[in-house]
Amino acid sequence: NAGVTQTPKFRILKIGQSMTLQCTQDMNHNYMYWYRQDPGMGLKLIYYSVGAGITDKGEVPNGYNVSRSTTEDFPLRLELAAPSQTSVYFCASSPRDNTEAFFGQGTRLTVV
Amino acid sequence: AQSVTQPDIHITVSEGASLELRCNYSYGATPYLFWYVQSPGQGLQLLLKYFSGDTLVQGIKGFEAEFKRSQSSFNLRKPSVHWSDAAEYFCAEVPYNAGNMLTFGGGTRLMVKP
Repeated sequence: NAGVTQTPKFRILKIGQSMTLQCTQDMNHNYMYWYRQDPGMGLKLIYYSVGAGITDKGEVPNGYNVSRSTTEDFPLRLELAAPSQTSVYFCASSPRDNTEAFFGQGTRLTVV
Repeated sequence: AQSVTQPDIHITVSEGASLELRCNYSYGATPYLFWYVQSPGQGLQLLLKYFSGDTLVQGIKGFEAEFKRSQSSFNLRKPSVHWSDAAEYFCAEVPYNAGNMLTFGGGTRLMVKP
């Protein structure tokens, strides 16, 4: 019953460093998403993918990149970390559009 | 642009009291609507969803929600709150035929008094 798995759970980065947040799902879902959650702001969509090899920008894509080489994996890349990217990041997947999304446990990232 | 509004940032209720969390959506056509719950340090768990049909939907943990098109609302209710219901609740929508842009409200944090 793994579902959506995110690693790491916590990370502290220095300004200008880079890192990749990993996300993998074992439900054979075509759709995958990355959200960031900031207090009082709900969740904002960063990027999403409708299948392997296809990605698209969400509401707040600046400063991030993604790739989708397999159905299972959808990593999120931060190239030059900035304090504004301090947030909790959630990966999610769904079997198709207009259906419920299944969420990972989140990655808490602090940029100092 | 679509948006989801949860007017109450914090709500405190006594254990055993009834609960109603408000949610308003902006999209004109019938959207797909969801309520998620997030316990501290956890991911989001789906409570219930509305796609079409009966406007009163039942979810897990004794929650229900009613879709009211005339008010553009999808309020979440529970007749008797338990201490374990303390969490943050998010309303979300996907507009009909608009792909997969799941849009969340800002969330309502529920506190339960003993």
